[in-house]
Amino acid sequence: RKEVEQDPGPFNVPEGATVAFNCTYSNSASQSFFWYRQDCRKEPKLLMSVYSSGNEDGRFTAQLNRASQYISLLIRDSKLSDSATYLCVVNFAGNTPLVFGKGTRLSVIA
Amino acid sequence: EAQVTQNPRYLITVTGKKLTVTCSQNMNHEYMSWYRQDPGLGLRQIYYSMNVEVTDKGDVPEGYKVSRKEKRNFPLILESPSPNQTSLYFCASSHSSGNYKDTQYFGPGTRLTVL
Repeated sequence: RKEVEQDPGPFNVPEGATVAFNCTYSNSASQSFFWYRQDCRKEPKLLMSVYSSGNEDGRFTAQLNRASQYISLLIRDSKLSDSATYLCVVNFAGNTPLVFGKGTRLSVIA
Repeated sequence: EAQVTQNPRYLITVTGKKLTVTCSQNMNHEYMSWYRQDPGLGLRQIYYSMNVEVTDKGDVPEGYKVSRKEKRNFPLILESPSPNQTSLYFCASSHSSGNYKDTQYFGPGTRLTVL
């Protein structure tokens, strides 16, 4: 069974804080991993792909732990504009449909 | 501008009245997909298409039909809508479905209410 699990939150953090989300997936053979961001009532948009070696894009860092079957997203120096729902997305095998987690809601407060 | 468009953006209809939600992309993508999003359930895939004339069921295909006669268009058809199909619908496209280099682009969403 293809499952992607996320803590729904909400995570309420002050501006400037560092926050981390984890996401677990059910299949050890999963091939590719992504984090998408979705603002309220808007479409999801790709935040970053997650590479095996981990990757960073400005204040955002994504990590993959294949042994424990989880990926993480770290946001440093949180901004008010980071408030959104973050979706963990997994491709379980080859050219098959992506599986979306239900999302983790983040609220950054002044 | 590269984009996925959906129409209509908002629709209120009644049970049993056939409707079509259109989806079009201008990026020459092979892969297109329809999702519905409901509170507490996240995004669930309805149907997807790997290429022209190739469509497959997703996780929740019951009550829906799709077609892929042209690469750019992937309409979603509700032959006899029911209230449990009230939802927020997203169309998406990408070059492929799983390559980590391929961003999946989403349309702006269609909010459907079936009375």
